[in-house]
Amino acid sequence: DAMVIQNPRYQVTQFGKPVTLSCSQTLNHNVMYWYQQKSSQAPKLLFHYYDKDFNNEADTPDNFQSRRPNTSFCFLDIRSPGLGDAAMYLCATSRKGLNTEAFFGQGTRLTVV
Amino acid sequence: GENVEQHPSTLSVQEGDSAVIKCTYSDSASNYFPWYKQELGKRPQLIIDIRSNVGEKKDQRIAVTLNKTAKHFSLHITETQPEDSAVYFCAASGGGGYNKLIFGAGTRLAVHP
Repeated sequence: DAMVIQNPRYQVTQFGKPVTLSCSQTLNHNVMYWYQQKSSQAPKLLFHYYDKDFNNEADTPDNFQSRRPNTSFCFLDIRSPGLGDAAMYLCATSRKGLNTEAFFGQGTRLTVV
Repeated sequence: GENVEQHPSTLSVQEGDSAVIKCTYSDSASNYFPWYKQELGKRPQLIIDIRSNVGEKKDQRIAVTLNKTAKHFSLHITETQPEDSAVYFCAASGGGGYNKLIFGAGTRLAVHP
């Protein structure tokens, strides 16, 4: 039943050690998003893909990268995690076009030690 | 870019009372306004949305109103129940193209039996 699947649910990484979070979807949606949500805060958009077109938010740090090898999968790479990058990372998808519902995955909670 | 403000940050009501959460947005081109409910440790889930061509939408105990002139929209929950306790996020999109959801800071709703 899960439509947007994120792995792993919990990830612990060392300070400065590259880490990759993954997201897959069974909805065949064109648009995939990555959000960062820190404790008691709103989800903050990092970037999104419209098909293969990558759109980075202006204030997303260079430390964050993304890859979308095909329609179903999208990855978030954090090149050198800092303590301030500890957060819940949410993947979401939506169909092509404006005003369509975004479906969220369960999220990956990243801890940096 | 779009900026969404949400009030109040916390709301406590007695079971059976109504709850109202208000949001304002800055980009007059925004035309899609969803509301998400997020329970602790879970993904945000869409509970209702409204598009700019209507002023009000209702779904059982939940209603949303939109005032495009004033650039604000509100969530109304009637006959609240303890299971309504969660964090509620408003969002706006459509102004910058695609489906860039920009979230408000969230309202923590507590419904006391």
